[in-house]
Amino acid sequence: EDQVTQSPEALRLQEGESSSLNCSYTVSGLRGLFWYRQDPGKGPEFLFTLYSAGEEKEKERLKATLTKKESFLHITAPKPEDSATYLCAVQARGAGSYQLTFGKGTKLSVIP
Amino acid sequence: GAVVSQHPSWVICKSGTSVKIECRSLDFQATTMFWYRQFPKQSLMLMATSNEGSKATYEQGVEKDKFLINHASLTLSTLTVTSAHPEDSSFYICSARVLGEGVEQYFGPGTRLTVT
Repeated sequence: EDQVTQSPEALRLQEGESSSLNCSYTVSGLRGLFWYRQDPGKGPEFLFTLYSAGEEKEKERLKATLTKKESFLHITAPKPEDSATYLCAVQARGAGSYQLTFGKGTKLSVIP
Repeated sequence: GAVVSQHPSWVICKSGTSVKIECRSLDFQATTMFWYRQFPKQSLMLMATSNEGSKATYEQGVEKDKFLINHASLTLSTLTVTSAHPEDSSFYICSARVLGEGVEQYFGPGTRLTVT
C-alpha cells in the first residue's frame, strides 16, 4: 500500500527565515511525486511534479527535490503570502487511472 | 490553463434530500475526473474515479448508491449525494487530468456541503 508521511505537521517561520518541509513516501514504483499548496477553504493548487531521484524544480521562493525515499520542499526567504498548507502526493507506476495518495500536509505560517 | 470549476461553492440542505455538485474543466478536455472529500484538518481522501462514458470506480468504503457519479462529457462530471445525512457534511473537491497530456491532476475550488 502506498504511503506518504509529511513532517512537520505545522511550521511557524519569521518572514525571511528559510526552512524545509519533508515528505517521506513508500510506493510500489514511483510514476510521479507532486507538491500542492492549499489555502483554507480552497482546492489544492498544483506546484511541482518530480519523476526521478535527483530531480529538482523551482518556482519563485520554492524549490522541490526528490530522492528515492523522500522529497523536500525548500522555502527561501518566505513571505506572509506563502502561508498555506503544503500537500505532497505520490502516484504509482501502473496506476491505470493515475490516482494520487496524499499526505496529511504541513501547515506553514509565516509571521511578518 | 488547466482551470477546473465547481458549482455550487457551498450548499446547505436538509437531511434526507439530495444534492448535486458539478465539476467542469474550463479550458481543456479531461480524460479522467476524480472526486475527493476532506474533513477539517485532514487530507484529501479519494472517493471515486470517473472516465467519460464509463461507470465510476469507487474506493473501498464509499457507497456507490449514495454518491452517484456521472461523467457525461469530457468537460463535465457530477456528484450527487443522495438522501444526505449530517455525517455527509464535508468539503468535496474534484480534480481532472488533461486528455493526452501528463500525469498531473488539477483541482477545483471545492464545494462545502452542510446537511442540517
